[in-house]
Amino acid sequence: LAKTTQPISMDSYEGQEVNITCSHNNIATNDYITWYQQFPSQGPRFIIQGYKTKVTNEVASLFIPADRKSSTLSLPRVSLSDTAVYYCLVGDRGGGYNKLIFGAGTRLAVHP
Amino acid sequence: GAGVSQSPRYKVAKRGQDVALRCDPISGHVSLFWYQQALGQGPEFLTYFQNEAQLDKSGLPSDRFFAERPEGSVSTLKIQRTQQEDSAVYLCASSLEGGGEQYFGPGTRLTVT
Repeated sequence: LAKTTQPISMDSYEGQEVNITCSHNNIATNDYITWYQQFPSQGPRFIIQGYKTKVTNEVASLFIPADRKSSTLSLPRVSLSDTAVYYCLVGDRGGGYNKLIFGAGTRLAVHP
Repeated sequence: GAGVSQSPRYKVAKRGQDVALRCDPISGHVSLFWYQQALGQGPEFLTYFQNEAQLDKSGLPSDRFFAERPEGSVSTLKIQRTQQEDSAVYLCASSLEGGGEQYFGPGTRLTVT
């Protein structure tokens, strides 16, 4: 499975847009890009998934360039409750099952 | 509806004791996963069940770790003769099918003293 690299931590302020970029230079043709969010004392929660170009849902947007060697999670107008760890994962969605491979994630701190 | 639940939420064990951690997946979910999360790290895969069949146990760190899901719903992760390095949060996740979105429980924090 492709290895991912993302910043260890980021700081932002309420109301700002936050962009977290993840590098995955060795992504395979069948791999999808998935982002999870984890709050303290909770399990990770699925945020968004994409294969190429742009995906948007009610929580976030995911931008994937044509070469797919990186991706950017965009959180619009963050609030204090968005303070969490964000994980970027790449892997094959199809087949038997997904053995999710998490890195250390990006710790986002949102300040008043 | 009810999500994935895990019990106990916290467990303190003396080194050498056996522990059993329970996972109640979302009803009807075929697939069940166990992960281990050390402090400050992302979760690491331990094992995978499809119904009652354990199809992948490649992530179990030693033969002291054992998981079962005898009726294809509730699962138990058992750790024998606990060691300090077993201290971690143990997360359970379930999905409707193997390749689907995984829903995680809150985890069990195990502390071995």
